[in-house]
Amino acid sequence: GAGVSQSPSNKVTEKGKDVELRCDPISGHTALYWYRQRLGQGLEFLIYFQGNSAPDKSGLPSDRFSAERTGESVSTLTIQRTQQEDSAVYLCASSPPPWNTEAFFGQGTRLTVV
Amino acid sequence: AQRVTQPEKLLSVFKGAPVELKCNYSYSGSPELFWYVQYSRQRLQLLLRHISRESIKGFTADLNKGETSFHLKKPFAQEEDSAMYYCAQPYYHFQGAQKLVFGQGTRLTINP
Repeated sequence: GAGVSQSPSNKVTEKGKDVELRCDPISGHTALYWYRQRLGQGLEFLIYFQGNSAPDKSGLPSDRFSAERTGESVSTLTIQRTQQEDSAVYLCASSPPPWNTEAFFGQGTRLTVV
Repeated sequence: AQRVTQPEKLLSVFKGAPVELKCNYSYSGSPELFWYVQYSRQRLQLLLRHISRESIKGFTADLNKGETSFHLKKPFAQEEDSAMYYCAQPYYHFQGAQKLVFGQGTRLTINP
């Protein structure tokens, strides 16, 4: 079956512009995560969705970052007024019920802010 | 707060030498621990999980509850083991759901 799909694969944007990144989780997966991975660095947790419950936004670095997910389907991560330090690979992962323990990752979106 | 600690950001060993990637966890409520691996230009993927007690690509990991550790080991490193490795643990979030928490990762380089 299809894995976690992210689009676009690469995005180059000008400083100050808004960008929207998309994640299609594996069908039936109730949990969805967004992470940021700067060049050569580890995973930085951004946000976690669990079913229809309120998301855990504790990792969002600033109010320029927001994410939405409708039910258990597609999620979008929006970065407003992009800055050069936002340049990174943004990873999405989803996990199946009932325990949501194993995460399946997408290939990531490489964002470059110029 | 739930924490998974990988004390080494970088680890470099020679081919054929033993390798150990360290992981310590803080949450004692979950018996499940994972190692994930990210090879160059590939997506992050599960390497092994504690509950399966399996050996994957020659790697094993033993849970030590006394030391709250889940170190990843391989007796003889190979060049293709060069990758980024993450330790992870789920912890109870709410309403029966669990949230995966990852360590900061260790970049392993195997020198020829």
